[in-house]
Amino acid sequence: QVQLQESGPGLVKPSETLSLTCTVSGDSITNYYCNWIRQSPGKGLEWIAYMYYIGNTNSNPSLKGRVSISIDTSKNQFSLKLTSVTAADTAIYYCATAARGRPVNWGLGTLVTVSP
Amino acid sequence: FMLTQPRSVSESPGKTVTISCTRSSGSIASNFVQWFQQRPGGAPTTVIYQDDQRPSGVPGRFSGSIDSSSNSASLTISGLQTEDEADYYCHSYDSSDWVFGGGTKVTVL
Repeated sequence: QVQLQESGPGLVKPSETLSLTCTVSGDSITNYYCNWIRQSPGKGLEWIAYMYYIGNTNSNPSLKGRVSISIDTSKNQFSLKLTSVTAADTAIYYCATAARGRPVNWGLGTLVTVSP
Repeated sequence: FMLTQPRSVSESPGKTVTISCTRSSGSIASNFVQWFQQRPGGAPTTVIYQDDQRPSGVPGRFSGSIDSSSNSASLTISGLQTEDEADYYCHSYDSSDWVFGGGTKVTVL
């Protein structure tokens, strides 16, 4: 059974960079498209970005180039960086993996608050 | 494209609820639809993938379908139970990008 666990600081100052890591266990990350999703307080799910281990990647245009995503196959992890954060980036951040013919696997999520 | 869901539905225990998810442009059949359940305070979990497939562990009360005539997908929960009270999100792909519906709150009366 694939399990995902997000990790990273729970508090980030405005204008700084949010950095999170997702550790995948139970299967190789190379079998999946790796995604980040967030959910602002009381709101719905917002897709942030995806990456496949060979380098294919894309991100939500609404985040206007502030997003980068990377994969470390040796650690079976993938990471998110979101630059120039504001209070609007306060949210629960989820990692998720997807593959054709398989259900999406979700992490438990981690709350990131942007505050001075 | 966008995916549009009703904001809320409510029904009594033991009854059946159906949640719709309408695609704004392009064919609903052109990309698989998934349904995610999010209980209060919890993370999303997959209840339907590839339009109508149930992951192991998801009760048979949950079923998914697509309808090309209305360009929509549906999630049906039969024999509604109190534990089914949650937010439900439909999801599809735009190439490899993800698109979510706005979510439907299911209330068990």
